[in-house]
Amino acid sequence: GAVVSQHPSWVICKSGTSVKIECRSLDFQATTMFWYRQFPKQSLMLMATSNEGSKATYEQGVEKDKFLINHASLTLSTLTVTSAHPEDSSFYICSALQGILTDTQYFGPGTRLTVL
Amino acid sequence: AQKVTQAQTEISVVEKEDVTLDCVYETRDTTYYLFWYKQPPSGELVFLIRRNSFDEQNEISGRYSWNFQKSTSSFNFTITASQVVDSAVYFCALTTNRDDKIIFGKGTRLHILP
Repeated sequence: GAVVSQHPSWVICKSGTSVKIECRSLDFQATTMFWYRQFPKQSLMLMATSNEGSKATYEQGVEKDKFLINHASLTLSTLTVTSAHPEDSSFYICSALQGILTDTQYFGPGTRLTVL
Repeated sequence: AQKVTQAQTEISVVEKEDVTLDCVYETRDTTYYLFWYKQPPSGELVFLIRRNSFDEQNEISGRYSWNFQKSTSSFNFTITASQVVDSAVYFCALTTNRDDKIIFGKGTRLHILP
């Protein structure tokens, strides 16, 4: 099956620093990738839809200047949390659509961010 | 509006018991897809099943089975002879042809007690 990786799997940083999370589709090309955020004991919340070669589409309430998304190639999307604060601590999960006309998203293993 | 409701927040059963996780969905689209995902303590989402709106056949995969009923807008998931390794959070989800976004339910936390 399709494999999606994320790096790093966990990161601890100081308040005010920026953190970059990578999402890669390992064995397929993904024109569309998604970024989710999950707080403890809660469901996944879609943050943005990332399309290769174009600007990401952010969900309502998600600050695009805070969460920078770059989808530079068909196998890589990055999420940068800028000037991170403790309230940004969360579990960030990416997913990728395999192909164009498809309906199944494959999820990465997630990145746990802790901001001190 | 599209919505997925998992009314059971948390369930605990003793090992070897059967357990059913409920999922009720809402959508006005006639073409849609339903999913179940498992999220163990490690956090990684594990894909379990995808079902499209035109296929109401129930499915069985080992100890897992799914009951899709359009008449009640439900897509319930049953684990037979539960095992401790089944302990996880289970999410039901919906997507439609309108866009690629997945709407997740709030999840059901399942505890299988030894």
